[in-house]
Amino acid sequence: DAGVIQSPRHEVTEMGQEVTLRCKPISGHDYLFWYRQTMMRGLELLIYFNNNVPIDDSGMPEDRFSAKMPNASFSTLKIQPSEPRDSAVYFCASSGPTGYSYNEQFFGPGTRLTVL
Amino acid sequence: ILNVEQSPQSLHVQEGDSTNFTCSFPSSNFYALHWYRWETAKSPEALFVMTLNGDEKKKGRISATLNTKEGYSYLYIKGSQPEDSATYLCAFGRRETSGSRLTFGEGTQLTVNP
Repeated sequence: DAGVIQSPRHEVTEMGQEVTLRCKPISGHDYLFWYRQTMMRGLELLIYFNNNVPIDDSGMPEDRFSAKMPNASFSTLKIQPSEPRDSAVYFCASSGPTGYSYNEQFFGPGTRLTVL
Repeated sequence: ILNVEQSPQSLHVQEGDSTNFTCSFPSSNFYALHWYRWETAKSPEALFVMTLNGDEKKKGRISATLNTKEGYSYLYIKGSQPEDSATYLCAFGRRETSGSRLTFGEGTQLTVNP
């Protein structure tokens, strides 16, 4: 298995533009997580899905952020409009069925977002 | 608010030193405690997942212990090497989510000087 795949790896955009980050989880995993890494707050959970259904989006900072998981092999995190304070590394992670390996999470390589 | 705290925040040791750091978590509602290793410019990778009070896990020179009654875990590195330099994260999984959602600590940043 190729592991969790994220694209793009780097994104530089201007304030006000729409940004879409993409994630393909490990095949067979039914949990998908979106995290943001910042210097101030460390690794912060934004939202997670179980069987393509959003379970907890309480970490999504504001309405400019939205996430979807249309099928078991694809998820997007969208920021519209983007702001400089959104600059961070965004990680996607997936884990197997509840209890499998006690929910060890496998992380993608991350997307480094810079908003100018 | 679920607090997972790690100490120290950062640590500098010399090659060959042994070191350890601490993760503290709520002792109630426990499901699992994870340790992840996070190298600069890479993504976190799981080291250990522990579920039972008194668990001890070992991988090479790295080992971890778990005390669920008092809510702490220790990570030990014996004979540190420069390649051990990384941030070590612990994460708490609670029973009410069957451990599916993890709350991460802020990590201990380890630097091993040659």
